[in-house]
Order: sequence, then structure tokens, then C-alpha cells
Amino acid sequence: NAGVTQTPKFQVLKTGQSMTLQCAQDMNHEYMSWYRQDPGMGLRLIHYSVGAGITDQGEVPNGYNVSRSTTEDFPLRLLSAAPSQTSVYFCASGERGGEQFFGPGTRLTVL
Amino acid sequence: QQQVKQSPQSLIVQKGGISIINCAYENTAFDYFPWYQQFPGKGPALLIAIRPDVSEKKEGRFTISFNKSAKQFSLHIMDSQPGDSATYFCAASGGATNKLIFGTGTLLAVQP
Repeated sequence: NAGVTQTPKFQVLKTGQSMTLQCAQDMNHEYMSWYRQDPGMGLRLIHYSVGAGITDQGEVPNGYNVSRSTTEDFPLRLLSAAPSQTSVYFCASGERGGEQFFGPGTRLTVL
Repeated sequence: QQQVKQSPQSLIVQKGGISIINCAYENTAFDYFPWYQQFPGKGPALLIAIRPDVSEKKEGRFTISFNKSAKQFSLHIMDSQPGDSATYFCAASGGATNKLIFGTGTLLAVQP
């Protein structure tokens, strides 16, 4: 099993550009989530999904969109990147209310 | 507002000493309290977790103490080793959504 995979590992964007961070898991988990990690702020929940077709907002959803068309994939979209979105992004999957498995992260810089 | 408050922000411990990290929460619907360990350049990984039906859980050198009435829980690392040097996050989830909410993290350095 590959576990949770994320692509790309690094990305540099210019302000206003759009992009999609990819996340996939092969553990058949219903629950998936996206976090951003910033110094001194810990891990903050952006969006989460409890199953295909079902998504909801986390603590810091503004500027991000998600969709969940399959159990395996949970992409995160930045429609118009801003410097405030410079961060490390982690995708996770797991059992609802249980252990979450994290991907290796995507380091995003917005100039 | 911060739903899970973690302290200290950083901690330096001598090899063989005890590392203690504390967390407090507000939401009484939380019923799952994990601790995650993160090494530089890696994603967080589950270290140990507890549910509120017990007051303490021990796995090797790692122990969670849980105080439901005070809405606090803590991680104790006994006989701390340089390999334990990492960032530690407490978290909590529960209620209708089971969203997993993290604390702000503690950077632990164990000096040899």
C-alpha cells in the first residue's frame, strides 16, 4: 500500500494563479481532510470529507475549494493564489473519529 | 478561537529526563484525544491516543494522562532520548462531525 500520496512536493506560484494539490489514498478510508501548517499556528483544518460527494469546511476554508468524486481522491484547489496561502499543506485520511494517516506534504510558495 | 490549547511552545530536556507537554480543550463533545509526532520534512504520525473512559494510557515510554473534569490532557515521555527530538501535536475530535482539531505544537529538543 502506498498510503496517502500528495503531488506536487514543491510548488511556486505567482499571485492570482490557480492550481490543484492532489491527494490520493489506497486504504479505502471514508474520511479525508486537508490541513495547512504554518510556524506557530500548528495544523489548521481547511476542508474535510466524510465520503464521496460529501465535503465540509474546516477552520480556515477561505480561498480553497474541494470536491470528492471518488473514495480515493480528494484534491484541493486554489482559485486565485495569495501570498497568505504560502504554507505546507498536508492531506490525511483515516477512520472517522480515529487515527489519521498523513501524506508527505506539499510546500507551496506564493510570490 | 483556539479550540485546543497546547503548551509549552518549545521544550529542552536532557537525555534520560522526563518531557511533559500539556493541552487543554473547551468542547465537551470531544471524545478522542491523540498525540502526533512530526519530524522535519515529514507528515505527522500518530504516537498515542486516549478516549475519555480512562484517565491514563501508557505505551512504552509514552504516557497520556487525561483529566476530564479539568478538560486537560498531557503527554509524558519518560527516559527522553535524542531520537525523540521532534514536534509534538495534541489534537481532539468528537461530536457530529468528528473534525480533528490540532494544538499549535511543541518543539522538543533532547540534549545528549
